[in-house]
Amino acid sequence: EAGVAQSPRYKIIEKRQSVAFWCNPISGHATLYWYQQILGQGPKLLIQFQNNGVVDDSQLPKDRFSAERLKGVDSTLKIQPAKLEDSAVYLCASSLGDEQFFGPGTRLTVL
Amino acid sequence: DQQVKQNSPSLSVQEGRISILNCDYTNSMFDYFLWYKKYPAEGPTFLISISSIKDKNEDGRFTVFLNKSAKHLSLHIVPSQPGDSAVYFCAASAGANNLFFGTGTRLTVIP
Repeated sequence: EAGVAQSPRYKIIEKRQSVAFWCNPISGHATLYWYQQILGQGPKLLIQFQNNGVVDDSQLPKDRFSAERLKGVDSTLKIQPAKLEDSAVYLCASSLGDEQFFGPGTRLTVL
Repeated sequence: DQQVKQNSPSLSVQEGRISILNCDYTNSMFDYFLWYKKYPAEGPTFLISISSIKDKNEDGRFTVFLNKSAKHLSLHIVPSQPGDSAVYFCAASAGANNLFFGTGTRLTVIP
């Protein structure tokens, strides 16, 4: 069974630039999550989708972050414009039941 | 406000001995607890979980203990192996799949 795929694996941008991350969940997983993991901290949920609907986006900084899952499969997370404090690993996860399966993450560095 | 806490950032154990990783939580509504293991440049992988109706769950060398009155759980690995060296995250959820993670404990198993 293929795991959760994410791209790119690494991204370096300057502050105020825009960036987008892509996630392809495990086939058949209805629930998809985006997490932000800042160095030295645990992952923090940004947004949760159930199929193509948003279940929880209470911790998403909506002035600069957006996410979509148009066809209920792949998802993109965008940051526009980026700030220095957005430097982190962005993890995508998917689930069918209680267990969440994580992708390798995208490491974003904002200079 | 950190609802899940791992107060030991690191732990070193000799191969063959027991590793004990600790986790405390503050939210009494949490009813499902998980441990994830993370290698560098990879996403977290699920290790073991426990429901709040139990106080112990065992899977091979891994056992998780839950003390609800103390709002404390621990992960025991015995015997520890060098391949167990990784960062271990404790996570908890209340009903829905929204996971709250601790800050992680880096385990080093010395051959």
